[in-house]
Amino acid sequence: GENVEQHPSTLSVQEGDSAVIKCTYSDSASNYFPWYKQELGKGPQLIIDIRSNVGEKKDQRIAVTLNKTAKHFSLHITETQPEDSAVYFCAASAVGYGNNRLAFGKGNQVVVIP
Amino acid sequence: KAGVTQTPRYLIKTRGQQVTLSCSPISGHRSVSWYQQTPGQGLQFLFEYFSETQRNKGNFPGRFSGRQFSNSRSEMNVSTLELGDSALYLCASSPDERPTGGYTFGSGTRLTVV
Repeated sequence: GENVEQHPSTLSVQEGDSAVIKCTYSDSASNYFPWYKQELGKGPQLIIDIRSNVGEKKDQRIAVTLNKTAKHFSLHITETQPEDSAVYFCAASAVGYGNNRLAFGKGNQVVVIP
Repeated sequence: KAGVTQTPRYLIKTRGQQVTLSCSPISGHRSVSWYQQTPGQGLQFLFEYFSETQRNKGNFPGRFSGRQFSNSRSEMNVSTLELGDSALYLCASSPDERPTGGYTFGSGTRLTVV
């Protein structure tokens, strides 16, 4: 099955700086790559996703890039703010009829230092 | 628009007992998936239901089961509880038969087995 690895495990950044989280995946059939943010006591919240036919996607301060050849994708957060402090999970899935399970990375604790 | 509702939020059970967790998806969503989240193993896929049919099952023992009702609400059951079953159980819903991603997670049920 799909194996997703996520690095680094913990990331501390100064407020206003950028944060980058990288993930690798193993299954070349994976075609959907979401990123989730989880705050204490809450479930994961989808913040951005990308499909395999796209190389980059942006949404305000958040962007995701995908390199299918190297099987890795990254989350970029610019102008970090204290409310960006959370655990971030990447995931991969070979989305299609009958196979919609998400394989998650182990998560990154992002700490934004005011 | 109400989100994914999971009940109860917290449960304490004794080893050997069984437990039933409930999930009400977003109105109109027909696909429901369950995940187990633990500090050691992270987020692991349990099962996925669509239109009352289980379409996928993760690598968990038969003590873990689930079902989906005609109104798309879902329940999961864990029998003969073990200490290692202590975890946050998350439900996620999606509107599509062929989900293109975009799962919305509930806040989870925190199960503690003593």
